[in-house]
Amino acid sequence: DPKIIQKPKYLVAVTGSEKILICEQYLGHNAMYWYRQSAKKPLEFMFSYSYQKLMDNQTASSRFQPQSSKKNHLDLQITALKPDDSATYFCASSPQNSDYTFGSGTRLLVI
Amino acid sequence: AQKVTQTQTSISVMEKTTVTMDCVYETQDSSYFLFWYKQTASGEIVFLIRQDSYKKENATVGHYSLNFQKPKSSIGLIITATQIEDSAVYFCAMREGMSNYNVLYFGSGTKLTVEP
Repeated sequence: DPKIIQKPKYLVAVTGSEKILICEQYLGHNAMYWYRQSAKKPLEFMFSYSYQKLMDNQTASSRFQPQSSKKNHLDLQITALKPDDSATYFCASSPQNSDYTFGSGTRLLVI
Repeated sequence: AQKVTQTQTSISVMEKTTVTMDCVYETQDSSYFLFWYKQTASGEIVFLIRQDSYKKENATVGHYSLNFQKPKSSIGLIITATQIEDSAVYFCAMREGMSNYNVLYFGSGTKLTVEP
């Protein structure tokens, strides 16, 4: 069974629309993250959360907003989508000072 | 500035041989953690092996081992007795400091092809 569930696996969106990427982890980790992978910038860090609090944000655009409704959830809301947002978005989690476990990713295509 | 650099874009080796992938990193922290991950053709990202900066002994897990050269800020991944299924993209990564929410910085990856 997957320990980190990302939904949907694939997503096609129209320019200007809004989408939410879902991430749930069942590993009992208190830290969760979002990464983006595209041809231009492989595995680029976006956000880190610890105990549902934002710890670090290295995404320039406010169009990207993480949302944590439960301690094992970290969704990513993206507004006013642009073709440049097309990428695979990976959610990850980790325990204290340890390696990350990655979800299988959501592949987003903005047309 | 790039914190983790992998200069080898792609490597091709014959099955059952040994391959080394290079990685250099930049940090001012006295304590940091180095990792290698593998991304398979399906896109799955899998943790392979880790080296803590304060440990002098090179980490080894199965047929993966590390060549940690701290003075050179280098952490090479060595795969012995390569198999076809080792074909993947390998990422080096670094986390600074002791906080568990600290960012994991990734290199750009090295694509390994193992040929029969």
